[in-house]
Amino acid sequence: QKEVEQNSGPLSVPEGAIASLNCTYSDRGSQSFFWYRQYSGKSPELIMFIYSNGDKEDGRFTAQLNKASQYVSLLIRDSQPSDSATYLCAVNKADYKLSFGAGTTVTVRA
Amino acid sequence: DTGVSQDPRHKITKRGQNVTFRCDPISEHNRLYWYRQTLGQGPEFLTYFQNEAQLEKSRLLSDRFSAERPKGSFSTLEIQRTEQGDSAMYLCASSLEYSTDTQYFGPGTRLTVL
Repeated sequence: QKEVEQNSGPLSVPEGAIASLNCTYSDRGSQSFFWYRQYSGKSPELIMFIYSNGDKEDGRFTAQLNKASQYVSLLIRDSQPSDSATYLCAVNKADYKLSFGAGTTVTVRA
Repeated sequence: DTGVSQDPRHKITKRGQNVTFRCDPISEHNRLYWYRQTLGQGPEFLTYFQNEAQLEKSRLLSDRFSAERPKGSFSTLEIQRTEQGDSAMYLCASSLEYSTDTQYFGPGTRLTVL
């Protein structure tokens, strides 16, 4: 079982719609959770982090964490073509290194 | 506020040659990480420094790989006797201990081994 699993996609959404990305993790000791955005050929760029159960909103992005279900998600509201990228879920077990999923590719069609 | 920088951005080498990459972290960050990313995969952890001390090396890091962080500032990653399987994006990240420990990535070095 992989430490972090994501739906590989591609996820295609129309402009202005909500994109919903899911991530599950295997280690119950995981403490912090991150979403990175990665454009093709570029490095990962931090979008959000979340530590506590519940929702955390930042602009058009909302991260949701459910530690009991070992599940973290990212919602992108009012999706724009510039949101077209691969979204990486990363998990930290408080041992400093991040474990990444393989990423979900999102395409926002105009 | 300058971010993490890496040099070179691209490196093409022939199999068997040695290559060295450099990473300059965000100035106040005392933690520095190296990751490797291949096409279609997420980054994989290679090694980690806290100040000048290398605290962990992944089993992915064979004896041909060595990393240093003299004086706790910039870091270098050297690959000796490169193999075609070493072709990947090598990413450096840094974070500040006692904060959220959020890791910020540099632009990466794309290595192609012919």
